[in-house]
Amino acid sequence: ETGVTQSPTHLIKTRGQQVTLRCSSQSGHNTVSWYQQALGQGPQFIFQYYREEENGRGNFPPRFSGLQFPNYSSELNVNALELDDSALYLCASNFPGHGELFFGEGSRLTVL
Amino acid sequence: AQRVTQPEKLLSVFKGAPVELKCNYSYSGSPELFWYVQYSRQRLQLLLRHISRESIKGFTADLNKGETSFHLKKPFAQEEDSAMYYCALSGLSGGSNYKLTFGKGTLLTVNP
Repeated sequence: ETGVTQSPTHLIKTRGQQVTLRCSSQSGHNTVSWYQQALGQGPQFIFQYYREEENGRGNFPPRFSGLQFPNYSSELNVNALELDDSALYLCASNFPGHGELFFGEGSRLTVL
Repeated sequence: AQRVTQPEKLLSVFKGAPVELKCNYSYSGSPELFWYVQYSRQRLQLLLRHISRESIKGFTADLNKGETSFHLKKPFAQEEDSAMYYCALSGLSGGSNYKLTFGKGTLLTVNP
């Protein structure tokens, strides 16, 4: 059984650029969530996807968008990057209705 | 709105001493509470959830609705318990799935 994998692990962008982060869910999980973790903070919910549809969204602007594919992998896209977008982005998968989330190791984004 | 508060950023105890990591929450409905843990150089993982009422690695946590608390306790701390601990509360994100609200975390250090 493979765990949640994320890519890239680290990346550096400049303000105004766009970024795409990728996530492969744990085998058998069809629900994926994305979290942003700023330095010294707990993870903050961005949005969740279930069966390729957005299934809930946190307090993030529309320039944060996502996709889920038929194989349950997922992407997080952020447009018009701002300095405050610098953070660790975590992907988590779970079975629908099960509260245990399985996290990836995260993608650390630095915006200069 | 839902909120999770972990009042201690850092907690240091000696091996064999009791440990209690505090968590208070704010939620208008009936909450489901979790403790997640992140050991050094490992990914975030579930430690325990209140509905299972289990003891995991000697840790227990009782949901106190009157005090809106979910403190994590262990009678005799071990050095391998040193980690970052996050308290989290679930809310339903649109459909029937879990969106977690995390506290800022408590870094536990168990000294030899």
